[in-house]
Parts: sequence; C-alpha cells; structure tokens
Amino acid sequence: SQTIHQWPATLVQPVGSPLSLECTVEGTSNPNLYWYRQAAGRGLQLLFYSVGIGQISSEVPQNLSASRPQDRQFILSSKKLLLSDSGFYLCAWAGVGETQYFGPGTRLLVL
Amino acid sequence: GQNIDQPTEMTATEGAIVQINCTYQTSGFNGLFWYQQHAGEAPTFLSYNVLDGLEEKGRFSSFLSRSKGYSYLLLKELQMKDSASYLCAVNDYKLSFGAGTTVTVRA
Repeated sequence: SQTIHQWPATLVQPVGSPLSLECTVEGTSNPNLYWYRQAAGRGLQLLFYSVGIGQISSEVPQNLSASRPQDRQFILSSKKLLLSDSGFYLCAWAGVGETQYFGPGTRLLVL
Repeated sequence: GQNIDQPTEMTATEGAIVQINCTYQTSGFNGLFWYQQHAGEAPTFLSYNVLDGLEEKGRFSSFLSRSKGYSYLLLKELQMKDSASYLCAVNDYKLSFGAGTTVTVRA
C-alpha cells in the first residue's frame, strides 16, 4: 500500500530564515505530487504541483519554491520566510486515478 | 476563476442526518471530491463524483448535478467522531477547494 510522509511535523522559524519541508511517497511510482497551504480557518491553496522529476508548476507567485529531485520526493523551500508564510503545509500524491491523498502535514509558525 | 461555496458551520444531534451543500462555478470540470478533515489533521478522502447521481458509501453519500453546478454530502446516523470539517473540491486541471464546512455533532 502507499504511504506519504512529511517532516518536520511542527516548525517554529524566525522571519527571514530559510525553510525546507520534505515529502516522500512510498509504494507507488511516478506519482503526481502537490504542495498545499492551509491558513487558519481557510481552504486549501495549491502552491505547486509536479508530474515528474524536475517538473514543477507554480500556482501562486510568492517567496516559496519547490523541487522534485527524485521520483517520490518533493521539497518545499524558501530563502527568507515572511510572517504570512505561517500555516499548515500539506503534501499530496495522486496516481493514475484523480484522487489525491494527503500526508500528515507540517505546521509552520513564523515569528 | 473558480468559485466554490459551502456553508461555514452546521450543528446536528448524534444519530441524525446532515446534508452539506456545495455549489461551484469553474472554468472546467472533471469531477468533484469530498474530504473530511479533523481539527489539526490532514484531509482524508471520502468520495468522488464524476457523473450525475448519488454515490453511497456506508453512512456517507454524495450527490452531483453537473448542470446545476451542485453537490451535496449526506451524513447519516451521525456519530460524535463525525465532528470535523468537510471540504468540497472541484477537479479542473487541478483541485480547487471550498473553505470547508465545520460540522459539530452534539450528544
């Protein structure tokens, strides 16, 4: 069966510091991968998606970037965090079907 | 652009039925998903409708009318553990999510 991992689970970072969040998927090959952010009390906002290694599509221009160095690894990064980057970051994968399955998420607080 | 509307909150009694409506206006449509999200946790998949009609999965059912841009999620025999946020998401070339409906089940 497929599993999706994210780490860290919780992160507290100062404004202006860098960020690296990692997501890995097991039990499937060539998945579509997604990064979402959920601000408190709001819906999920798609940030990036990837259909293959090195292929990244950005949905929202901002100070975040994504990379897919391996088939089942998806990384979300920032060089300098802003207060507005606080939120719940979710990675998701989808296979041949359309259904997306979410990882456990990373709760980021920027102070 | 995408416009997906759901009620913000609903409250119901244990054992009752609750219907969560979702209306959408999107540039494309390849299906509609419902997810459940407990507080502080990730969303989990509940149902997927791509054709008009009702899909039933145990206590949960989901209905879709593409011509009306309308879906609902029906929760029957409510249990305390059903207290959660329910997210409607429309699949265009990507998933666009509504803000979610928080359902509170009272004893």
